[in-house]
Amino acid sequence: DGGITQSPKYLFRKEGQNVTLSCEQNLNHDAMYWYRQDPGQGLRLIYYSQIVNDFQKGDIAEGYSVSREKKESFPLTVTSAQKNPTAFYLCASRPTDSYNSPLHFGNGTRLTVT
Amino acid sequence: AQTVTQSQPEMSVQEAETVTLSCTYDTSESDYYLFWYKQPPSRQMILVIRQEAYKQQNATENRFSVNFQKAAKSFSLKISDSQLGDAAMYFCAYRSAFGNEKLTFGTGTRLTIIP
Repeated sequence: DGGITQSPKYLFRKEGQNVTLSCEQNLNHDAMYWYRQDPGQGLRLIYYSQIVNDFQKGDIAEGYSVSREKKESFPLTVTSAQKNPTAFYLCASRPTDSYNSPLHFGNGTRLTVT
Repeated sequence: AQTVTQSQPEMSVQEAETVTLSCTYDTSESDYYLFWYKQPPSRQMILVIRQEAYKQQNATENRFSVNFQKAAKSFSLKISDSQLGDAAMYFCAYRSAFGNEKLTFGTGTRLTIIP
């Protein structure tokens, strides 16, 4: 079955450590996205990529980095520069053949930094 | 910049009844797309319904329908015959039709179904 896989489901890290969240899709979608979800704030865009080897900052990119070396993969690194990294992170993808195509989401990764 | 506002943090409805969730947005663009997503306790985001701004007809998907008022910049979601499985967070979202990939979300409405 096609879909988006985020791993792990739960991730724990000590403050000051970088951590990478995995996102893999087998939907053959060109565009991929990372969103952060905090209680009462909805979803906020961190980074997105419309094509391999290209990506753009979203609204809250500070303290995060991404890469897009393969169409299927869009890992997100939460660096020690991110002041409040504890959150729920959602990866999404969509085909770019039409603008009304919706996002397909993964199941998310809950990151806790102590 | 576009903003999406969901003014009802929480709503509840009796099973089998109808409920309407509100969403307003602010944009200067004439063409765009609007979406409603559902996030159940599993936290998987699921598309409920979508609307294209240039279409006057309101979108419908089974028990879910929208009331799209372009002039008022309003995009409410009506759920008919509410079921226990409808309990979830519901998010309204906006995307421009002019080359901007960004999908802007509202803060969500938590819907509780009363048996």
